[in-house]
Amino acid sequence: NAGVTQTPKFQVLKTGQSMTLQCAQDMNHNSMYWYRQDPGMGLRLIYYSASEGTTDKGEVPNGYNVSRLNKREFSLRLESAAPSQTSVYFCASIDRGNSNQPQHFGDGTRLSIL
Amino acid sequence: AQSVTQLGSHVSVSEGALVLLRCNYSSSVPPYLFWYVQYPNQGLQLLLKYTSAATLVKGINGFEAEFKKSETSFHLTKPSAHMSDAAEYFCAVSGLGFNKFYFGSGTKLNVKP
Repeated sequence: NAGVTQTPKFQVLKTGQSMTLQCAQDMNHNSMYWYRQDPGMGLRLIYYSASEGTTDKGEVPNGYNVSRLNKREFSLRLESAAPSQTSVYFCASIDRGNSNQPQHFGDGTRLSIL
Repeated sequence: AQSVTQLGSHVSVSEGALVLLRCNYSSSVPPYLFWYVQYPNQGLQLLLKYTSAATLVKGINGFEAEFKKSETSFHLTKPSAHMSDAAEYFCAVSGLGFNKFYFGSGTKLNVKP
């Protein structure tokens, strides 16, 4: 059963370490998104990619970088992790040309920074 | 910028009672509006969405929502709650083109036996 796959599912880092969160979708969607979810704050958009080769900042981009490697993959990188980046990270994708299709979410990456 | 306000971070109802989860949006143009449900340790699943067609939108699992432009609201309802409805619910808004989605802070629904 395909959809949006995120790796890893859990990770613990020390302050200052770097890490890349991976996301891949097999639905041929053109748009992909990275969100963080914090208690009482819902989901906040970090970066999005409207199509292959393009990326744009969302609400909370500071401290993150992204790469849209190809149509399937959209990675999120923390260059120097900080405790404030402890969160659950969700990747999502959608076919922007088809308003009848929902945004599909991965199961999340739970990241703790000590 | 668009924003979404969900009134009530926690709502508790008895099994069989009416479920009403409130959502108000702020948007300068007619938006797309969504309700998602999240079960523990999972991603979000779409319940329903409004895309400028009928103002009363029916979704999965017996949920529906009504778009009221004059009140800038998109409240989620279900006539009779089931134990399986216990989860966290998020309202979201997007502009044309789905470039950005803005989510509310979420409402946790508790269903009492």
